[in-house]
Amino acid sequence: QKEVEQNSGPLSVPEGAIASLNCTYSDRGSQSFFWYRQYSGKSPELIMSIYSNGDKEDGRFTAQLNKASQYVSLLIRDSQPSDSATYLCAPQADRGSTLGRLYFGRGTQLTVWP
Amino acid sequence: EAGVAQSPRYKIIEKRQSVAFWCNPISGHATLYWYQQILGQGPKLLIQFQNNGVVDDSQLPKDRFSAERLKGVDSTLKIQPAKLEDSAVYLCASSFLSGSPHEQYFGPGTRLTVT
Repeated sequence: QKEVEQNSGPLSVPEGAIASLNCTYSDRGSQSFFWYRQYSGKSPELIMSIYSNGDKEDGRFTAQLNKASQYVSLLIRDSQPSDSATYLCAPQADRGSTLGRLYFGRGTQLTVWP
Repeated sequence: EAGVAQSPRYKIIEKRQSVAFWCNPISGHATLYWYQQILGQGPKLLIQFQNNGVVDDSQLPKDRFSAERLKGVDSTLKIQPAKLEDSAVYLCASSFLSGSPHEQYFGPGTRLTVT
């Protein structure tokens, strides 16, 4: 059973601060990683993907990947109240009969207060 | 580009009744996924189609759930008979190709309440 653990929330940060969301995964074979944002009552929305060790930046979002440590994170700089949502970490199975399957964590609920 | 379409958006049924959900993926996307998301949890894959063939249905409760994608485009997920624990949001997603890495895009979901 492939496990995905995310930092327990809820996480609460003030507007303008950096929000740090962490995720560890058990499948050492996973090579692709995705972050989804899910507003309450809505479906998950893809916001970041990362495939190589290191950092990947997209606007206020930075994804970090360390495959040796089986760790992936998402940093949100200059957090805004509109960033308040649940963030889902999803490694993708890279081999075998489950090739392409996403494994989701429970998500971390982020609240950004004005 | 139109996104993944799902209907209905909401459904309330009594236990032991049957229900069906419909999904139309993004145009050109060969792979279609059905997920179940129970409140407070991440989505869990039920079944994955590549064109009109099943790639992975290992987590589909086959005694009550069934799914088809007859022409390789839209898909239907059915539950018969429903149980209380089937109350969840059923999400459809699609991707251009199968395998890794391939980004998956979700539809709005169908919220099912079983009473």
